[in-house]
Amino acid sequence: AQSVTQPDIHITVSEGASLELRCNYSYGATPYLFWYVQSPGQGLQLLLKYFSGDTLVQGIKGFEAEFKRSQSSFNLRKPSVHWSDAAEYFCAVGAHDTGNQFYFGTGTSLTVIP
Amino acid sequence: KAGVTQTPRYLIKTRGQQVTLSCSPISGHRSVSWYQQTPGQGLQFLFEYFSETQRNKGNFPGRFSGRQFSNSRSEMNVSTLELGDSALYLCASSSEGMSAKNIQYFGAGTRLSVL
Repeated sequence: AQSVTQPDIHITVSEGASLELRCNYSYGATPYLFWYVQSPGQGLQLLLKYFSGDTLVQGIKGFEAEFKRSQSSFNLRKPSVHWSDAAEYFCAVGAHDTGNQFYFGTGTSLTVIP
Repeated sequence: KAGVTQTPRYLIKTRGQQVTLSCSPISGHRSVSWYQQTPGQGLQFLFEYFSETQRNKGNFPGRFSGRQFSNSRSEMNVSTLELGDSALYLCASSSEGMSAKNIQYFGAGTRLSVL
């Protein structure tokens, strides 16, 4: 069965520090992978996606993620965090054998200290 | 282009009542998916509609149902509300096709509180 694990429920970083949010997935075939961000009171906004090809993908707002098949991971990174990055981050896998059904992790809440 | 619109934004109901939530997808999008978001469970897939047909369904009881209209607008209904149904209900639309490559665009959600 497909599943997504985000091991860190909450992370606190200082503004300007680097960030890495972890995501591990379980899926039998090559997955389609996504990172979404949710600000308070808002819906989810797509940060980046991986379908195939280059395993390092760039997204919006200076985020990037690296797909590592051997580790079943798709970690999100940002070299320098801004206060406006404080939000909830969700990793998701699109199970292409079940159409548009997506499986989300439970999310990582990011706090940024000035 | 307008985004995904969900109405109402907030709802308060009591146990045993029923509720209907509405979602208007992005113009031209024919797929609408519904998710329940709770602090403990995260986002859980409810169902997906495409061209007025339910195409996928998550693991929720029959009290949760939905439909899609010819203009792609979708409604979700929950009957006999329980306290545990309190959640943020998110709707997402995508262009078309049965492909997990289709990016889902989310609305701001409807916050349902069951008292």
